[in-house]
Amino acid sequence: KAGVTQTPRYLIKTRGQQVTLSCSPISGHRSVSWYQQTPGQGLQFLFEYFSETQRNKGNFPGRFSGRQFSNSRSEMNVSTLELGDSALYLCASSLVPSGGHLYNEQFFGPGTRLTVL
Amino acid sequence: GQQLNQSPQSMFIQEGEDVSMNCTSSSIFNTWLWYKQEPGEGPVLLIALYKAGELTSNGRLTAQFGITRKDSFLNISASIPSDVGIYFCAVPTGANSKLTFGKGITLSVRP
Repeated sequence: KAGVTQTPRYLIKTRGQQVTLSCSPISGHRSVSWYQQTPGQGLQFLFEYFSETQRNKGNFPGRFSGRQFSNSRSEMNVSTLELGDSALYLCASSLVPSGGHLYNEQFFGPGTRLTVL
Repeated sequence: GQQLNQSPQSMFIQEGEDVSMNCTSSSIFNTWLWYKQEPGEGPVLLIALYKAGELTSNGRLTAQFGITRKDSFLNISASIPSDVGIYFCAVPTGANSKLTFGKGITLSVRP
């Protein structure tokens, strides 16, 4: 069974540009979450999608947005890039969202390394 | 917001040694997770803990859910070179699919 795939793996952009990152979850997984990883802040939750709806959102500015398609694939978009947006963006998928005391394991992709110059 | 504290930032051990790391918080959690991240990869779940006091093993790894529900411990026995990586503790928060991570401990193993 193929794991979570993310494209592209590496990306270089300049300040002010926008970028779209793509995530294909494990087959059969319907929940997709996005995380930003930086040396200073560590791993931080961006948002979660399930059934094409944003279910949960982290504390990031509105320049960060995402969506999910009917086949569960997800994209995230960052507009008006800033130097501080340079990071590893990780996508994780699970069968369904976790709820109550039940944690449904999230499987992470290898990430997209974004560099903003 | 909720914070998970992991220290030190880096650990250096000799192959064959045991190593212990912990993760603490001022908040109570119902689930504790330990992840490992290797270079160029995303984090991989090592152990999940669901009950205070629970001790769970996965090969040479053993983790414990602290009795106060505010901490968790991970022990790696008889370390080998492939144990190198960053070890994160994490907890589901908010709507539970949102994971809050500690800053991680980078483990180096000297042959």
